[in-house]
Amino acid sequence: AQRVTQPEKLLSVFKGAPVELKCNYSYSGSPELFWYVQYSRQRLQLLLRHISRESIKGFTADLNKGETSFHLKKPFAQEEDSAMYYCALSPISGGYNKLIFGAGTRLAVHP
Amino acid sequence: DGGITQSPKYLFRKEGQNVTLSCEQNLNHDAMYWYRQDPGQGLRLIYYSQIVNDFQKGDIAEGYSVSREKKESFPLTVTSAQKNPTAFYLCASTTGAATNEKLFFGSGTQLSVL
Repeated sequence: AQRVTQPEKLLSVFKGAPVELKCNYSYSGSPELFWYVQYSRQRLQLLLRHISRESIKGFTADLNKGETSFHLKKPFAQEEDSAMYYCALSPISGGYNKLIFGAGTRLAVHP
Repeated sequence: DGGITQSPKYLFRKEGQNVTLSCEQNLNHDAMYWYRQDPGQGLRLIYYSQIVNDFQKGDIAEGYSVSREKKESFPLTVTSAQKNPTAFYLCASTTGAATNEKLFFGSGTQLSVL
C-alpha cells in the first residue's frame, strides 16, 4: 500500500539548532516526493520537491531509496520556520497528480 | 489577485442536509482537487478533475459529489450519506495532471455538524 509516515507530531527546537523532520514512505515504484508547509494563517504551499534538488529557505531533502526516506533538514533553525510541515508522495502510475500526504509535523522554533 | 478562492470559510450542516462547498480559481489551471483534512491524519483525496466535464473518485469519495462544468469551478457537495462530515476541506489546482506539478491550495472551509 502507498503510505507516507511522519513519525513526529511535534518537533520543538531552539533557534540556531539543527532541524530534521522525518518522512518515510511506502511505494513499490520510483516515487516523486514533496514537502509542503503551512505557516500560521497562510495557505498550504509547496516548500520543495526532490526532483528539483533545490534548497528553499535553507531547507534540503534527499531521497534515500534504500531507506525509503525523504527527511527534511536545515542546519540552523529560525523562528520563522515554525509551521506545519507535510511530506507528500506522488505515485507515478496513472499519470495523475494524486498526492498522498503524511499526517504532518508541527515544528516549533523557540527563541 | 490570482489564486484559488474557497467559500464559505465556515459552514454548518444539519442532520440529513446536503451542503455545497465552493472552489473557484482564476489561474487557468486544468486540474482541480478536493482534500479532506482531519486532525492527526493529514490530507486525504476526495475527488479530482483533470479537465472540464471529467472527474474521478479519490480515496474517500463516498458521501461526496462534485461537478466540473466550468474550468474555473469545482464545487463539492457533502451529502447526507456522509456520516462524519466534520472536517477541514481544502481545494487545490495544478496546471496539468503531471505527477510532479506543484499544487496551489485554497484557504479551506471548516465544515461542522449541528
